[in-house]
Amino acid sequence: DVKVTQSSRYLVKRTGEKVFLECVQDMDHENMFWYRQDPGLGLRLIYFSYDVKMKEKGDIPEGYSVSREKKERFSLILESASTNQTSMYLCASSTSTDWYEKLFFGSGTQLSVL
Amino acid sequence: ILNVEQSPQSLHVQEGDSTNFTCSFPSSNFYALHWYRWETAKSPEALFVMTLNGDEKKKGRISATLNTKEGYSYLYIKGSQPEDSATYLCAFIRRGSNYKLTFGKGTLLTVNP
Repeated sequence: DVKVTQSSRYLVKRTGEKVFLECVQDMDHENMFWYRQDPGLGLRLIYFSYDVKMKEKGDIPEGYSVSREKKERFSLILESASTNQTSMYLCASSTSTDWYEKLFFGSGTQLSVL
Repeated sequence: ILNVEQSPQSLHVQEGDSTNFTCSFPSSNFYALHWYRWETAKSPEALFVMTLNGDEKKKGRISATLNTKEGYSYLYIKGSQPEDSATYLCAFIRRGSNYKLTFGKGTLLTVNP
């Protein structure tokens, strides 16, 4: 079974903390993505990566950074967490055989910033 | 900013009913459309990837059609079952947009036994 694993299902952090959300995939996929899901809004793309050490900004990159040192791992970093970053964060991956390939998602991390 | 609209926002049906939802997207520079099902406490799961105008895809009781010229896709569920209860998401890829997916807000389907 293909798998995208996010390190935490629930996370509670304080304002100003540096937060790391980790995502690992075991499918040898080139592309990896970070989305956030908020009530009343669609999934919004934060950052994506199409290769090791490569990254591209998505639609809402402000306040976030990413790291992809190994093909299987894509980390989302909140440099100084704020309450408006309370959200459900979803990681996804896809093969780059063709750019329309479907995404495989992790089960999400519900982050609360107090 | 691309506009991907899904309707209705939510839907309650009885077990055995057939139902359908709509995804509207820009009709220019179409590249692909995805449908995903997202059950509570689980990962979103891909249902269909559609790339050609007139595409029809089917998976069991679920099917989808695509009209790229007018910018819409329909998802149909025949004989709804309680296990079909989920949020159904569509995502549009525009040619030349770095091939990023833009998601709609989803349709929440509840099937009552």
